Amino acid sequence: NAGVMQNPRHLVRRRGQEARLRCSPMKGHSHVYWYRQLPEEGLKFMVYLQKENIIDESGMPKERFSAEFPKEGPSILRIQQVVRGDSAAYFCASSPDRELHSGNTIYFGEGSWLTVV
Amino acid sequence: DQQVKQNSPSLSVQEGRISILNCDYTNSMFDYFLWYKKYPAEGPTFLISISSIKDKNEDGRFTVFLNKSAKHLSLHIVPSQPGDSAVYFCAASSKGGSEKLVFGKGTKLTVNP
Repeated sequence: NAGVMQNPRHLVRRRGQEARLRCSPMKGHSHVYWYRQLPEEGLKFMVYLQKENIIDESGMPKERFSAEFPKEGPSILRIQQVVRGDSAAYFCASSPDRELHSGNTIYFGEGSWLTVV
Repeated sequence: DQQVKQNSPSLSVQEGRISILNCDYTNSMFDYFLWYKKYPAEGPTFLISISSIKDKNEDGRFTVFLNKSAKHLSLHIVPSQPGDSAVYFCAASSKGGSEKLVFGKGTKLTVNP
């Protein structure tokens, strides 16, 4: 997971506040993914983005969650009006241009731990 | 529904012995499989992958076996070392599935010195 930078590593928010998580992919990677891990669970896919495009957001909750990957700057996962159930580890991952099935690999960042109090 | 299942939440082995971690899947469209290792408070680290056109892939002490007819794969670590103690996640992907990975819940491996 070297190279995929996430910040903040830890974030505490009160219920109703907004949380913004940032992710800078590995150098040369243009595909970004966000995953969420709830306690005692595996990682669950949320969204897949390329520069300025959302490719697949089938794992995103319908409300309060949004993601972007602008032309310049990091990818942002935004959670509005946070609730206690949003407390989780959020992992960003990146991969190069080539398709996963051509031998490509997805590399993960260290994660951002969100705690809603 | 759990498309990727790791039925053993934990596994304990002695240093120097073989560790075998198992993974079953239900979606026949999956055709690419990966294993990740995760330490507490860190992100998953890629270990090894296998395409459905193969039945075995080896990288140093790590070997992944794929049995497509049984929809089963396993990760063998030999010899096991105390530093291998971590949670191991199996993940699967399908071509045309927008590259997203479906993860199992993980198996916590403890290698005792």
